[in-house]
Amino acid sequence: LAKTTQPISMDSYEGQEVNITCSHNNIATNDYITWYQQFPSQGPRFIIQGYKTKVTNEVASLFIPADRKSSTLSLPRVSLSDTAVYYCLVEPSGNTPLVFGKGTRLSVIA
Amino acid sequence: DAGVTQSPTHLIKTRGQQVTLRCSPKSGHDTVSWYQQALGQGPQFIFQYYEEEERQRGNFPDRFSGHQFPNYSSELNVNALLLGDSALYLCASSLVVPSNYEQYFGPGTRLTVT
Repeated sequence: LAKTTQPISMDSYEGQEVNITCSHNNIATNDYITWYQQFPSQGPRFIIQGYKTKVTNEVASLFIPADRKSSTLSLPRVSLSDTAVYYCLVEPSGNTPLVFGKGTRLSVIA
Repeated sequence: DAGVTQSPTHLIKTRGQQVTLRCSPKSGHDTVSWYQQALGQGPQFIFQYYEEEERQRGNFPDRFSGHQFPNYSSELNVNALLLGDSALYLCASSLVVPSNYEQYFGPGTRLTVT
């Protein structure tokens, strides 16, 4: 049973803000929400992690509503180099195995 | 600071053969996890090693085995290769920090079974 649901693909023009929403209706109290980015033939790369409200780093922002049943990854002013697959994961803290879905394939167009 | 390294980059094997893939974790990390990623799919967890022992295992047959060495590096062994074992094999290392858990992935080894 999938823990998260996210769009299969999205397209965006360069310079636009991209928001990718992930649904996780069965999130547990001790679960964190984590997003990874993966370029072709490379390993996934950690982007951002949050538990509630809003988290921002130099790469992205993560918005989590109070019920935590969904989250939105926001990429400001995307460029062609942001073309990648983005994975939303819901995992408890600690060294638990990561469970990846199929992710969202983002294509940035010039 | 070297990140996670994996070798070899690419590998071609024949059905029935055996293969060994290697991983060196990020400096300071003591836990290594292995994932298999088929084309168009997300990575699937194989197993995790900590203190030279297999701590957790995913839904993979016994043909998949591993080892962790005292320097925290790790090997993934696959016996009796099948065509379906063709995939990108990813190694990830980590160091548990409460409430801030992140795994660092290597570039992967592309295994092709013919």
